[in-house]
Amino acid sequence: DQQVKQNSPSLSVQEGRISILNCDYTNSMFDYFLWYKKYPAEGPTFLISISSIKDKNEDGRFTVFLNKSAKHLSLHIVPSQPGDSAVYFCAASRFGNQFYFGTGTSLTVIP
Amino acid sequence: GAGVSQSPRYKVAKRGQDVALRCDPISGHVSLFWYQQALGQGPEFLTYFQNEAQLDKSGLPSDRFFAERPEGSVSTLKIQRTQQEDSAVYLCASSRRTGKTGELFFGEGSRLTVL
Repeated sequence: DQQVKQNSPSLSVQEGRISILNCDYTNSMFDYFLWYKKYPAEGPTFLISISSIKDKNEDGRFTVFLNKSAKHLSLHIVPSQPGDSAVYFCAASRFGNQFYFGTGTSLTVIP
Repeated sequence: GAGVSQSPRYKVAKRGQDVALRCDPISGHVSLFWYQQALGQGPEFLTYFQNEAQLDKSGLPSDRFFAERPEGSVSTLKIQRTQQEDSAVYLCASSRRTGKTGELFFGEGSRLTVL
């Protein structure tokens, strides 16, 4: 039973354009959401998070949007850079004691 | 070290062997998590420690899996009588906080291949 879903396994974007990665969840009790970035042969690294009391959080080129009614969050990367090419995982938790991860979206930024 | 350290990075085991995977969390981090990541999948929760207490082990797939963190720092994940379906990357993560807003810091993972 996948509580966090990333329905796009891959995404290709031209350098300088916007990358939009999507994530859906099923459990309305989730109250904290995170995005992680993973390069091959490395562990995931934290990118950005958002609490359920907010609908937007911005950090430099990265913005996460949360739509609680739709149980949907998205990560926007503007402008996209070749170094952003990686697998992106969204994760959700309730009380921060167990994090549920999506299956990941592989982003390729084309120079 | 500054980050979460896991060893071994790679482990090949014959079916039926026991394996032990070690995790050194970031110093002072209270929370420690183990995740299993199969090929092409996202990390799946196995177990969670707060200091030395194992507060949640609901994700452990069978009683062949056992985790401990006896002194609230280093943790070991042990898999007994390994099976081919145990082949995966085992990720350890630590967090300085308990509860809501602790981001997880992951190690590089231990890749287990069971032949």
